[in-house]
Formats: sequence, C-alpha cells, structure tokens
Amino acid sequence: ELTQPPSVSVSPGQTASITCSGEKLGDKYVCWYQQKPGQSPVLVIYEDTRRPSGIPERFSGSNSGNTATLTISGTQATDEADYYCQAWDSTTAYVFGTGTKVTVL
Amino acid sequence: QVQLQESGPGLVKPSQTLSLTCTVSGGSISSRGYYWSWIRQHPGKGLEWIGYIYHSGTTYYNPSLKSRVSISIDTSKNQFSLKLSSVTAADTAVYYCARLVYGDYMFDYWGQGTLVTVSS
Repeated sequence: ELTQPPSVSVSPGQTASITCSGEKLGDKYVCWYQQKPGQSPVLVIYEDTRRPSGIPERFSGSNSGNTATLTISGTQATDEADYYCQAWDSTTAYVFGTGTKVTVL
Repeated sequence: QVQLQESGPGLVKPSQTLSLTCTVSGGSISSRGYYWSWIRQHPGKGLEWIGYIYHSGTTYYNPSLKSRVSISIDTSKNQFSLKLSSVTAADTAVYYCARLVYGDYMFDYWGQGTLVTVSS
C-alpha cells in the first residue's frame, strides 16, 4: 500500500510537497497523476523525476528510501486537484496511493 | 495523439457480468511495448488497477479481482474489453481504460471513464 496525506494546502506562488510512503519505495519507479474533478487522471511525473511533454517545469519529483515526493513550485490556482502516486509492486502489481487533495488558498 | 474511449452499459444488475469495451484511436493496439489496462475508481475514492492485456493476448490481473476478471483484445478493431462477473454494489465505480508503458510502469493515456452502477 502507498500512503499519502489526505490533503495539502498551499498559497498561490508557494511550494506544495506531497509525500507517498511505502516499503522500499526508493527501489521502485514512482509515477504521479493529477486528477481534476470530473476528469481522467493525467500523468505529471514518471520514473520518479521525469516530466512528460507538456507538463510545466514547476512539477518535479524525487524518490528515496521509503518516500517519494511530488513538488509543485510556484503553485497556481490551476494546480488545485487530487494527486495520486503509483508504483509497481511484485505482490499487487500496479498500486496507487491513497490520494492527496491539493487546495490552493 | 492516442485516444481511448470506453463504452458499455451504465447499469448492471447484481450477480450479472459487467462488460465494457475500449476503442483505441490515433495508434495501433498492436504496437510493441504498450499494454492495455483497465482501472477503476469507486465514487469519491482512489484508483484501483484491474488488469492488462498485450496484443499477443497475454494478460495479468489484480490478484484481488483475478477470479472474476477477464480481459480480451480484438486487434482487427483496435479494441480491448473487460468482463467482471458476479458483480455487487461494491463494483459500482468509474471504469477507465488506459495505455500502460510496460518498461516505465506508467499509464500515459487514459479514456474519459464511464460510470457503471450495480443496482437492481
């Protein structure tokens, strides 16, 4: 199981950090998805740190030990969404995190 | 630009079989290195991977659903399908189809999702 904080609040222009915890997560590739209300998830980070084409540079990722982190620098109102981490696990295959609601105050 | 579109009944009776189809456009479902997946999201909840299929017919299912799930593929129609048997209210969810990039363990393209309600 991948555990995320249920919610994170951030002021516009500030930095939001979302953690994803799991056993030996640093030994696995982690992806991050953004999901806005009523929409499908969108891949924002893959292979721990890489951004797909079209994803703003303010999205970055890291992964070490038991924790992966998605960082949104200079957060904008449009970044308000649910965020899910995802990894591959030998037992349950493709597993998603519990999700974090990011609120831009 | 690859696009995926789910289709199928939005209402299924308890104990019956849920059947959905995903149509892929903008790319071939037979392309190497891409696996075709089903993922669901219970109302207001997180995401749950159901399973995937490769164009060769190789499948891999979530162990928690394995006994009730079957995924098939029709390369001539660029479609793949999901069957989930013996459904209950707990199977009510938005069902997404998505493309899995196998080596990178990531889902890079998703369908818009379709809500399936299990109710009599």
